[in-house]
Amino acid sequence: KAGVTQTPRYLIKTRGQQVTLSCSPISGHRSVSWYQQTPGQGLQFLFEYFSETQRNKGNFPGRFSGRQFSNSRSEMNVSTLELGDSALYLCASSWSTSGNTIYFGEGSWLTVV
Amino acid sequence: GQQVMQIPQYQHVQEGEDFTTYCNSSTTLSNIQWYKQRPGGHPVFLIQLVKSGEVKKQKRLTFQFGEAKKNSSLHITATQTTDVGTYFCAGPTQDSNYQLIWGAGTKLIIKP
Repeated sequence: KAGVTQTPRYLIKTRGQQVTLSCSPISGHRSVSWYQQTPGQGLQFLFEYFSETQRNKGNFPGRFSGRQFSNSRSEMNVSTLELGDSALYLCASSWSTSGNTIYFGEGSWLTVV
Repeated sequence: GQQVMQIPQYQHVQEGEDFTTYCNSSTTLSNIQWYKQRPGGHPVFLIQLVKSGEVKKQKRLTFQFGEAKKNSSLHITATQTTDVGTYFCAGPTQDSNYQLIWGAGTKLIIKP
């Protein structure tokens, strides 16, 4: 069974630009959550989607947004990039939203210059 | 809001020594999960504990869930270089759509 797939793996953007990251969950998983991890830091929850609906949202500014498609694939978008947005963005999938185990992708490394 | 405190933040050990990380939640958890993140990698699920007082073992790793279901620990016996990484605990909230609340992680460092 294929794992969680995230694209792109690495990208460099300029301040003020926007970026879209993509996540394909494990087949059959309907819940997708996104996390930001800065070097040496913990996991900061961004948002969670289930059946195309945002169920939970972390404490991030409105520049961070996401969506989920009918096939459970998800995208997150960051607009007006700032230097502090440089981080590893992790997507995780789960078959349900009831606090069950989640499975992470390898992440997308974003560098803002 | 609900919080999960994890200590210590770092632990330096000699290879062969034991390692323990602790998690404490401000509220009762329906389950607690443990994940390991190797340097440069992504978090990988290790185990989930559900029952009060539950103890599970995976080779040299022992996981415990407290009787009150508010605390948990991970103990590694005789650490090896392959154990290096950051260990995170996480548990679902009971008041907000079961969102996972994460500990800050404990980084295990093996002294050369």
